[in-house]
Amino acid sequence: DAGVTQSPTHLIKTRGQQVTLRCSPKSGHDTVSWYQQALGQGPQFIFQYYEEEERQRGNFPDRFSGHQFPNYSSELNVNALLLGDSALYLCASSLNREPNQPQHFGDGTRLSIL
Amino acid sequence: AQSVTQPDIHITVSEGASLELRCNYSYGATPYLFWYVQSPGQGLQLLLKYFSGDTLVQGIKGFEAEFKRSQSSFNLRKPSVHWSDAAEYFCAVGARGSTLGRLYFGRGTQLTVWP
Repeated sequence: DAGVTQSPTHLIKTRGQQVTLRCSPKSGHDTVSWYQQALGQGPQFIFQYYEEEERQRGNFPDRFSGHQFPNYSSELNVNALLLGDSALYLCASSLNREPNQPQHFGDGTRLSIL
Repeated sequence: AQSVTQPDIHITVSEGASLELRCNYSYGATPYLFWYVQSPGQGLQLLLKYFSGDTLVQGIKGFEAEFKRSQSSFNLRKPSVHWSDAAEYFCAVGARGSTLGRLYFGRGTQLTVWP
């Protein structure tokens, strides 16, 4: 039973570029959440997708956007990259009809902005 | 607004010693509470959760946590620490409702274990 998988593992970009991160949820899960974890900080919620729509959003600018596909996988897109976007990006999945079950996290994508 | 405070940024204990990591939260109602552990280069692994019922919850790897509503706390404990417990620990709070939405995390406590 595969857990949450994220790709790529590491990524290096320069300021102003755009990046796409990918996430496949745990088998059977239909809800995907994205978090940003800056160095030395706890994860911060970016947004959550369910039924291919953004359901909740944290305090992140519009440069951060996402998508969920019919197979429940998800992408996180960041435009006009800034140095401050350097972080570990975590994807978490859950099952909408079981709100008492916790989210499962992937190992993350380490994004470095030069 | 919801928030989580982990007052200890770094804790060092000897192997075999007991451990308590502190967590205080701010939330308008009884929240869902979690402790996660993160090893270097890894994602978050759930140690335990509190949703309702018994305020003392048992988790994996011998960890337990106690929910104290009057103190808005959810401290993590382990009676005897192993060297493999060295990692970063995060407390998180989530909203109750029909769906489990966003989690609010503390900034984490880095645990070092001396042999």
